[in-house]
Amino acid sequence: LAKTTQPISMDSYEGQEVNITCSHNNIATNDYITWYQQFPSQGPRFIIQGYKTKVTNEVASLFIPADRKSSTLSLPRVSLSDTAVYYCLVGERDSSYKLIFGSGTRLLVRP
Amino acid sequence: DARVTQTPRHKVTEMGQEVTMRCQPILGHNTVFWYRQTMMQGLELLAYFRNRAPLDDSGMPKDRFSAEMPDATLATLKIQPSEPRDSAVYFCASGLGTGMSNQPQHFGDGTRLSIL
Repeated sequence: LAKTTQPISMDSYEGQEVNITCSHNNIATNDYITWYQQFPSQGPRFIIQGYKTKVTNEVASLFIPADRKSSTLSLPRVSLSDTAVYYCLVGERDSSYKLIFGSGTRLLVRP
Repeated sequence: DARVTQTPRHKVTEMGQEVTMRCQPILGHNTVFWYRQTMMQGLELLAYFRNRAPLDDSGMPKDRFSAEMPDATLATLKIQPSEPRDSAVYFCASGLGTGMSNQPQHFGDGTRLSIL
């Protein structure tokens, strides 16, 4: 199965917009793309989910191109408390189906 | 706020011992997921249940791991015998949906397992 890949780390400053991209070349046809946030010593926490085009909620936006082989999580105006690891989760199908977490992107927000 | 509860939060034991991890999913949720998180492998799906039936355990080492849902309020993950390479954080998550990916998953805070 192709790996679901993300940048290892990103740095930002308070108040900036942050965009984190996940590549998922083998995403299964009917599967959704989901993003999670994880703080140390805690379980992942749901941020947003989408199937295609754009989804927006009170904390983030999710952009999905027409081929669905990637997705971008957009965090508007980040604060120090957004420092965390961000994961994408997709279902991939090659010879078999498997639910795959990306490797995670460690976001550091500086004052 | 409803939460997924996992016990114990920490477990240290010697290799060869049986380990049982427990999870109480959110009331009303019909799916349960078990994951393992390590530095090297990241988050890996071990097992998936829907309506208490095991639908996918392809990520689980079959010879020593087993997962069950005795009832709708309890999911268990057992390792027997345990080995040092099983040391990891084990997460349980629950959700409400018909497919593996079309539902937000609600995670517990994990069981940190150390096998000496």
